[in-house]
Amino acid sequence: AQSVTQPDIHITVSEGASLELRCNYSYGATPYLFWYVQSPGQGLQLLLKYFSGDTLVQGIKGFEAEFKRSQSSFNLRKPSVHWSDAAEYFCAVGARGTYKYIFGTGTRLKVLA
Amino acid sequence: KAGVTQTPRYLIKTRGQQVTLSCSPISGHRSVSWYQQTPGQGLQFLFEYFSETQRNKGNFPGRFSGRQFSNSRSEMNVSTLELGDSALYLCASSLDRREISYNEQFFGPGTRLTVL
Repeated sequence: AQSVTQPDIHITVSEGASLELRCNYSYGATPYLFWYVQSPGQGLQLLLKYFSGDTLVQGIKGFEAEFKRSQSSFNLRKPSVHWSDAAEYFCAVGARGTYKYIFGTGTRLKVLA
Repeated sequence: KAGVTQTPRYLIKTRGQQVTLSCSPISGHRSVSWYQQTPGQGLQFLFEYFSETQRNKGNFPGRFSGRQFSNSRSEMNVSTLELGDSALYLCASSLDRREISYNEQFFGPGTRLTVL
């Protein structure tokens, strides 16, 4: 069965520090991969997505993610975190040939001034 | 273009009651998905509709149902509410595609349901 694991429930970083949020998936083939962000009281917004091709993808707000097939991972990174990045981040898998996404349980990011 | 809207934003019900939540997708989007979000569980897929047809359903009991209208607006209904149904219910819409799994989904702000 397809699944998505985000091993870190909470992460705290200082403003200006680098960030990496982990995501591991279980899927029989190359899935469609997504990262979404949810700010308090709001719905989810797409940060970036990977379908095929270059394994390093760039997204909005200075985020990037790297697809590593051998590790079944799709980690999200940002070189310098801003206080406004404090939010909850969700990794998701779109299983090909289906009509649904599978989301991870999320990682809540706290940014220290 | 207006985003996905959900009504009401907040709802308080008691056990045993039923509730109906509404979702209006982005204009032109024909696929609507519903998710239940709870702390520690993340987003759990409820169901997806396209052109008034349910194409996929998650692992929820039959108390959870939905429908989609010809204008793509969607409703979900939960009957015989239980305490564990307290959650944020999110609706997402996406463009017309053969499969939605590679589409960007646009989410509404959610309806916060509290069951007492």
